[in-house]
Amino acid sequence: DQQVKQNSPSLSVQEGRISILNCDYTNSMFDYFLWYKKYPAEGPTFLISISSIKDKNEDGRFTVFLNKSAKHLSLHIVPSQPGDSAVYFCAARQNSGGSNYKLTFGKGTLLTVNP
Amino acid sequence: GAGVSQSPRYKVAKRGQDVALRCDPISGHVSLFWYQQALGQGPEFLTYFQNEAQLDKSGLPSDRFFAERPEGSVSTLKIQRTQQEDSAVYLCASSIDGKITAFFGQGTRLTVV
Repeated sequence: DQQVKQNSPSLSVQEGRISILNCDYTNSMFDYFLWYKKYPAEGPTFLISISSIKDKNEDGRFTVFLNKSAKHLSLHIVPSQPGDSAVYFCAARQNSGGSNYKLTFGKGTLLTVNP
Repeated sequence: GAGVSQSPRYKVAKRGQDVALRCDPISGHVSLFWYQQALGQGPEFLTYFQNEAQLDKSGLPSDRFFAERPEGSVSTLKIQRTQQEDSAVYLCASSIDGKITAFFGQGTRLTVV
């Protein structure tokens, strides 16, 4: 049972345009969400996170939006650059209780930014 | 070192062979995690250490998998009698505190033939 779902395996965007990556979750106990970026043959690199007490967090070109009622979050990259081409993983964590260290990941979305 | 270091980067094992995967976390990081990433999937939690104590091993898929961190620094993930379904990338991550964002190593790609 996938508790974190990234329904788009891939996304192709033109350089300079907006990239929107989506993520849905089913576990209502999740209250902290992270996006990781992964280049081939490298480990995932932390990108941006958001707590469930917020609905938006921005860091430079990257913004994450959280819609708790819909159990949906999205990562916006504006403007997209060719160097952003990578696999993006959505991850979630319960920030309370005994397992607040454990990340649950989606399957990832491959973003390709074309020059 | 500056980041989490894993060795070997690639490992090919014959079915039934034992393997040992090493993780050097970032110096001073108390928490250490192992994740398994199968082809086309996201990483899945295997086990968690706080210093030398293994606090959670609920994600280990079978009793053929064993992890240790005897001095609270370097960790080893051992897989006994490897099977083809063990083929995956094994990722190690560390953090100052278990609740703080974890930094991942490059992973070890294990192929069982």
